[in-house]
Amino acid sequence: AQTVTQSQPEMSVQEAETVTLSCTYDTSENNYYLFWYKQPPSRQMILVIRQEAYKQQNATENRFSVNFQKAAKSFSLKISDSQLGDTAMYFCAFMTRTQGGSEKLVFGKGTKLTVNP
Amino acid sequence: GAGVSQSPSNKVTEKGKDVELRCDPISGHTALYWYRQSLGQGLEFLIYFQGNSAPDKSGLPSDRFSAERTGGSVSTLTIQRTQQEDSAVYLCASSKGARRTDTQYFGPGTRLTVL
Repeated sequence: AQTVTQSQPEMSVQEAETVTLSCTYDTSENNYYLFWYKQPPSRQMILVIRQEAYKQQNATENRFSVNFQKAAKSFSLKISDSQLGDTAMYFCAFMTRTQGGSEKLVFGKGTKLTVNP
Repeated sequence: GAGVSQSPSNKVTEKGKDVELRCDPISGHTALYWYRQSLGQGLEFLIYFQGNSAPDKSGLPSDRFSAERTGGSVSTLTIQRTQQEDSAVYLCASSKGARRTDTQYFGPGTRLTVL
């Protein structure tokens, strides 16, 4: 079974500093996609960044970047220059195939990030 | 353009009652997903619609759960004879297609509370 593990239930960081959220996953697939989603108190899940497993280069989106270690099945998210608006739940997710043959996202349990002023 | 919308935002019901949750996907998106987010848990896949194909119901937890998608657009998730363990946030997502490269865009969810 495909699983996603986020080992840090809660984290905090000072505004303007850098924080790294960890994620590990388990899969027997070779070509797959990984995602980080942000869920603020409004509940709206927002895609932060995604990584294609066959690409060795780590994905970056402005202040957000990932450290993708395929052999170790690790996919951490680094947030640079943290802002108060980054306060949210962060979910690591993995795209996999359902029993019915379609695609679905499998999520970790999330990390609650608080950015302190 | 408008994003994914869901209604109601919050729903409180009594154990044993039926509820209907609605999802309006992004216009033009052919794929639609329902997920459930229980307290302290991540999201779990429930059901998936792609165009006019038969839905993938492999994630539905029991036969009390059903969903339909009319005209390839709006979807309704129905929970019959609700139980307290059904209390959760129900999230809908849509994507342009069903490929792994197609990003899923989520709605704000419906928070269901079963008393």
